[in-house]
Amino acid sequence: DVKVTQSSRYLVKRTGEKVFLECVQDMDHENMFWYRQDPGLGLRLIYFSYDVKMKEKGDIPEGYSVSREKKERFSLILESASTNQTSMYLCASSSDSHSYEQYFGPGTRLTVT
Amino acid sequence: KNQVEQSPQSLIILEGKNCTLQCNYTVSPFSNLRWYKQDTGRGPVSLTIMTFSENTKSNGRYTATLDADTKQSSLHITASQLSDSASYICVLNNNNDMRFGAGTRLTVKP
Repeated sequence: DVKVTQSSRYLVKRTGEKVFLECVQDMDHENMFWYRQDPGLGLRLIYFSYDVKMKEKGDIPEGYSVSREKKERFSLILESASTNQTSMYLCASSSDSHSYEQYFGPGTRLTVT
Repeated sequence: KNQVEQSPQSLIILEGKNCTLQCNYTVSPFSNLRWYKQDTGRGPVSLTIMTFSENTKSNGRYTATLDADTKQSSLHITASQLSDSASYICVLNNNNDMRFGAGTRLTVKP
């Protein structure tokens, strides 16, 4: 059973704080993704990674950075959180050998005040 | 303009009734089309997957159809249950480039 876990379900941070969102998958998947989900907009891709130490910008990378030091872990970093980054953040992983089906974590609801 | 448009945005039906959710897309070509179910506060879970050449795929009470000519997909839910209350997301995949619809929020009332 594929498991994707995220470090927090709910998080409240202040404007200007540095925020780390952690994601871990246990299926040795090559690919990992970070999305944000906002009402009426659906999922939007922030960053993704095809391999360790490798990262690619998605559709909305501004204000975010990522880190993939180990294959199973993909971190999303908000260097200086802003109120417009209040959102649901979803991590996903996929394998090149399984039709690229993405398995999602439970999400982190981040509120920036 | 979003390449994947879903309708309706939200839907309320009575338990036991059937419903159909629509997905119109402009993405072309694509490898496969998936429907995901996302329960409130949870991550999306895959329901069905269809390749470009498939017309229909079933998973229990869920049946997805694909019309490549009109670039439309639908998800039909039969004999709805309260546990079907969720958001349903249409996703097109072209070699790991995923395009997501905004989802349809379904509420099943007792």
